[in-house]
Amino acid sequence: QVQLQESGPGLVKPSQTLSLTCTVSGGSISSGSYYWSWIRQPAGKGLEWIGRIYTSGSTNYNPSLKSRVTISVDTSKNQFSLKLSSVTAADTAVYYCARARRSYDILTGYYNYFDYWGQGTLVTVSS
Amino acid sequence: QSVLTQPPSASGTPGQRVPISCSGSSSNIGSNTVNWYQQLPGTAPKLLIYSNNQRPSGVPDRFSGSKSGTSASLAISGLQSEDEADYYCAAWDDSLNGHVFGTGTKVTVL
Repeated sequence: QVQLQESGPGLVKPSQTLSLTCTVSGGSISSGSYYWSWIRQPAGKGLEWIGRIYTSGSTNYNPSLKSRVTISVDTSKNQFSLKLSSVTAADTAVYYCARARRSYDILTGYYNYFDYWGQGTLVTVSS
Repeated sequence: QSVLTQPPSASGTPGQRVPISCSGSSSNIGSNTVNWYQQLPGTAPKLLIYSNNQRPSGVPDRFSGSKSGTSASLAISGLQSEDEADYYCAAWDDSLNGHVFGTGTKVTVL
């Protein structure tokens, strides 16, 4: 059973960089047709996709956050990480890491979905 | 920020059928598959439906999904008290080159 666990500081000062790590257990981060994402959710609000990384190192980011986001992967540690720079109070949220499975069907073509999620970690931006 | 539009709330009595709509555009739902996630209070989202209408192992068959054009729908048949949760649709957006989520629908069991 694959498990994901977020870790990192729960409090970050404004203008500083938020750094989180997701540790994957129960399977190799490099195996299978997967990629790895960060998703966040402000209190009482909806889900916002932050970005993804393949174990090859290829990344895609949400255009609204692209200038401030870096996602990296360390296959030797079975981990991937998020860095979000110049944070403000608007970045206060629960941050989730998730695995996306990429599959193919002759009728629908390529499709993907988040099949495993971490429990989430609350990051508060405050001085 | 959400690109996909859902009704903010839906409700029903135990045993009723509750539909939830998800409206998008040609760059997301119109050209890619739709997934649905259930988020119980205080927990991480859980995959409920993938590829428009497929249920992962362990998801009851009273949850069903469909897609037509640039809209999708989730239906909960035989509503149960444990179905009280927030439900989100999601899809890949070719224009944004990223995942987009719906605004979320809170389901209440009366």
